[in-house]
Amino acid sequence: EIVLTQSPGTLSLSPGERATLSCRASQSVSSNYLAWYQQKPGQAPRLLIYGASSRATGIPDRFSGSGSGTDFTLTISRLEPEDFAVYYCQQYGSSSGFTFGPGTKVDIK
Amino acid sequence: QVQLQESGPGLVNPSETLSLTCTVSNGSISTYYWSWIRQPPGKGLEWIGYIYYSGSTNYNPSLKSRVTISVDTSKNQFSLKVTSVTAADAAVYYCARGPPGSGSHRGYYYLDVWGKGTTVTVSS
Repeated sequence: EIVLTQSPGTLSLSPGERATLSCRASQSVSSNYLAWYQQKPGQAPRLLIYGASSRATGIPDRFSGSGSGTDFTLTISRLEPEDFAVYYCQQYGSSSGFTFGPGTKVDIK
Repeated sequence: QVQLQESGPGLVNPSETLSLTCTVSNGSISTYYWSWIRQPPGKGLEWIGYIYYSGSTNYNPSLKSRVTISVDTSKNQFSLKVTSVTAADAAVYYCARGPPGSGSHRGYYYLDVWGKGTTVTVSS
């Protein structure tokens, strides 16, 4: 079973700053199987990135995804007030199905 | 655009069966797989399983022995049953669309449309 680790656990930044979130897999993951989600309190997760680097419909271009193999990154180029939230990475494995990382909380410094 | 709505009892007795239904509106239930995910209070996301409109399923190995997902294409609905529930099954339960089952995105694994979620409490 592939385990996802996200770092840091919490990222404290100011609006306008750049956020770099890491997702590391215990084994190599196909890029097609790697996605990122944003979740705000009391809301369902929202798909941001699929296929490691493709933005989902309606997602602003300040969000970008990159990486391959075991190391993936979500970058928010300039934080807007609405971007403070928890971010999860997700992978798919043929034996385990979908698994999610523990999340990175981006909060206001 | 496609919308999902979970429905079902918010309170379940320990050892009994949790049953939820997800209604798909403004779109067809075919061409996609349909998933259930849950989130215990203050914790992360756990995928439960998915079903295709044809009825084929895939379950989280850790829950497989207690979970059944079914689909009713005539009603554009899919459902979840979890047997022998305990306090550990208390969570917000989400239904979601994905992964894609056909077309150019077949082979990609993501969940692109989510319901708002429904809270399930396990207590007598």
